[in-house]
Formats: sequence, C-alpha cells, structure tokens
Amino acid sequence: DTAVSQTPKYLVTQMGNDKSIKCEQNLGHDTMYWYKQDSKKFLKIMFSYNNKELIINETVPNRFSPKSPDKAHLNLHINSLELGDSAVYFCASSQGRHPYFGPGTRLLVL
Amino acid sequence: DAKTTQPNSMESNEEEPVHLPCNHSTISGTDYIHWYRQLPSQGPEYVIHGLTSNVNNRMASLAIAEDRKSSTLILHRATLRDAAVYYCILRPFQGAQKLVFGQGTRLTINP
Repeated sequence: DTAVSQTPKYLVTQMGNDKSIKCEQNLGHDTMYWYKQDSKKFLKIMFSYNNKELIINETVPNRFSPKSPDKAHLNLHINSLELGDSAVYFCASSQGRHPYFGPGTRLLVL
Repeated sequence: DAKTTQPNSMESNEEEPVHLPCNHSTISGTDYIHWYRQLPSQGPEYVIHGLTSNVNNRMASLAIAEDRKSSTLILHRATLRDAAVYYCILRPFQGAQKLVFGQGTRLTINP
C-alpha cells in the first residue's frame, strides 16, 4: 500500500488555467506538507497543515491555495497557472520528526 | 535556518564504502543533523539523524564531529540503488516542523 499518494502523476496544461493536485496519506499522520522542486532541483516547503489547520505558509503567491478536507488529505489548487509554476510538487506527511514524501506531481505549464 | 555545505557531486564504485561529508559550522546546540536522499524521479526519503553521538541504522551510519561542525554519512557497501542526491539538513529540536533542503550531493555509483 502506498503511504503517501498523489494524483495526477503528470499534469500538462496551458497558461492561465486552474488545476488541482490531490494528496492522500494512509499513515494516520497529523501533519501534511506541500513542497515544490523547481528546474534547478531546489526543494522548498510551501505549506504545512496540522489536523486540518494551516501552520506553515511560506511566501507563496495567493494563486496557490491548499485545502485539507480531513486529516488524511491535503489538496493543492493553483489558479491562473504561469510558466514559472512548472515544477515537481511533492506532498508529505509526518507524525513527529520524519516526513514521508509522495512520488511527486510533475506540472508543465505551456 | 542554519546552513549546510556539501560537495555538488561524488562518485564511487559498487560494493565500496562511501563517505559523504557535510559542513555545518553555524549549528546551534539544539539542532539535529538529518540526512535524506532523493532517488531519481522519486520523493526524498529519510536516511538517518543524530544530535551528538554517532548513529547506525540499516541504511547507513552517521559520524558526527566532536564540535558538531561537520558530519559524515557513511554507506558501508554502496549498491547501484544508492545512486541519489543526498541532503544534509539541520533541524531544530523545537520550532517550525519543516525541512530546509540545500543543493545536496549527487552520488554516482559505478558498476
């Protein structure tokens, strides 16, 4: 069973569109995260939720809106996609110290 | 966030030991030293962590300098599956629960 799963795995879309990435974890963890890995391969945290409450919100444009319907899910909605949003987005979850990462969603904005 | 410095890349041969260095001269007393790795086309995965003493687990060993300003991740017998980017990360005991990734070391394993 996959611990942290993301859908879709690949996402190709046009500039200006709105898209969502879904994340689910079956580990029973309280905390979930979104990280972004850009073309230079730097991994940066975007958001963190603990028990459905936002606890970390790094300097991310308002076009990005995370939503946590329950403790096991953290979705990422992106409005008005821009070329610079092309990246790999990783979801992660943790209970304590060591996050488990999902396989990533590769987003390409054309 | 305390900064770490790692070589951009390293190369080793299969079945040989690999020593991956990390400098963290500005480490504070409550910072834990964490290592993660990212295999090709996958998300990062936890490898090992420590505070002051050397640590061993099934994946690797972590050797921490006495002054804690540097550490070394040791893979005892590298396999081709160990080819990855290895990240050395300092994480405070308390505070924001986030990982701050640097550029890491890209490890290549030759057959």
